[in-house]
Amino acid sequence: EVELVESGGVLVQPGESLRLSCAASGFAFSLYSMNWVRQAPGKGLEWVSYITSDTRTINYADSVKGRFTISRDNAKNSLFLQMNSLRAEDTAVYYCARSVAGSFDHWGQGTLVTVSS
Amino acid sequence: EIVMTQSPATLSVSPGERATLSCRASQSINSNLDWYQQKPGQAPRLLMYGASTRATGVPGRFSGSGSGTEFTLTISSLQSEDFALYYCQQYNNWPRTFGQGTKVEIK
Repeated sequence: EVELVESGGVLVQPGESLRLSCAASGFAFSLYSMNWVRQAPGKGLEWVSYITSDTRTINYADSVKGRFTISRDNAKNSLFLQMNSLRAEDTAVYYCARSVAGSFDHWGQGTLVTVSS
Repeated sequence: EIVMTQSPATLSVSPGERATLSCRASQSINSNLDWYQQKPGQAPRLLMYGASTRATGVPGRFSGSGSGTEFTLTISSLQSEDFALYYCQQYNNWPRTFGQGTKVEIK
């Protein structure tokens, strides 16, 4: 069974940094592209970042470009999101999601990041 | 950026009735459209991909149609477990973009 478990979400102050992790199991992680998608409290879904299985292609939403960095460790079946210069508007539940032909076919349960002073 | 617009924002339907949700793209996305269902406190779940193909385990009462810029998700006979938020999402272009969602509530 495919399982994605995010961790690392906490309360931080504006301007601080945070690293999210997503542990994958139940499938051949090294063969799949992965994404981060976020959802602000009471709001809709926003795609954040994408990385291919071989890390050759990486994409970001304009709202996070230059501040967030996606990476992965295929040996450890893990996906990461390094978030720098955090802003109040980055407050959200962050989901990792597996990509299959463009669709997000499996999602984790999410981890809450709160940016507030 | 492709803007996805869903209508209506809220749909009030009685159990057993048919629900029709709409999604419009600001430019053609061919058939590169997904539908997701989200229940309170849960992660989204893929319902439909390629505009009209049900994801694994999705009941046959869900159907999708459309191509280009106009898409529809139909739930033929609403069950209690179908009352939820529904999002469309395009994967034709970067950045991937979602609609703002349609809430299907009990009438």
